[in-house]
Amino acid sequence: QQKVQQSPESLTVSEGAMASLNCTFSDGTSNNFRWYRQHSAKGLEVLVSIFSDGEKEEGRFTAHLNRANLHVSLHIREPQPSDSAVYLCAVSIPSGGSNYKLTFGKGTLLTVTP
Amino acid sequence: NAGVIQTPRHKVTGKGQEATLWCEPISGHSAVFWYRQTIVQGLEFLTYFRNQAPIDDSGMPKERFSAQMPNQSHSTLKIQSTQPQDSAVYLCASSPRDWGTNTGQLYFGEGSKLTVL
Repeated sequence: QQKVQQSPESLTVSEGAMASLNCTFSDGTSNNFRWYRQHSAKGLEVLVSIFSDGEKEEGRFTAHLNRANLHVSLHIREPQPSDSAVYLCAVSIPSGGSNYKLTFGKGTLLTVTP
Repeated sequence: NAGVIQTPRHKVTGKGQEATLWCEPISGHSAVFWYRQTIVQGLEFLTYFRNQAPIDDSGMPKERFSAQMPNQSHSTLKIQSTQPQDSAVYLCASSPRDWGTNTGQLYFGEGSKLTVL
């Protein structure tokens, strides 16, 4: 069964400094990776999706995928206090026709201080 | 675009009572999902509908949980004989295409927070 782990559990950065979040997954056939953000008591907002090794940029958010290392990361450039939220990594696998099913990590709580 | 609408936003029930949660997906979306979110377990998949048909309910606790999608504009999640461990935020999500393609995107509602006393 796919396991998705995120680190660190919490991260505090100063406004304008780069924030880096990590996610490891256990199933090497995973082919669909997404980063979501969740502000307190709100729904999930998709930030960036990545499907092949390398880098994918969406505005200030950049995802890096290395499937050989079972690792995907999210880097936030010039974070603002409004970026303070829980960041969730989600992974799906193509096998058995169930690639619709996302497995989520438990999240990283990011706090951006002014 | 109103987004995925979930009602109620908060529901408090007594142990043993029934709870029904509603979801209105984004108009035109063909895939609807239910997830459950708790501090301990994080986000867990419950069930998936495609074009109103149930496709996968492997995440649903079998005895007390049921989900339906009677029409394309709403889905319900019903929990019978609620227990304190059912306390969670229940999230509904919809997708504009047959979810599973690399270009499909999933849009989440703000969730229904269920508290079972």
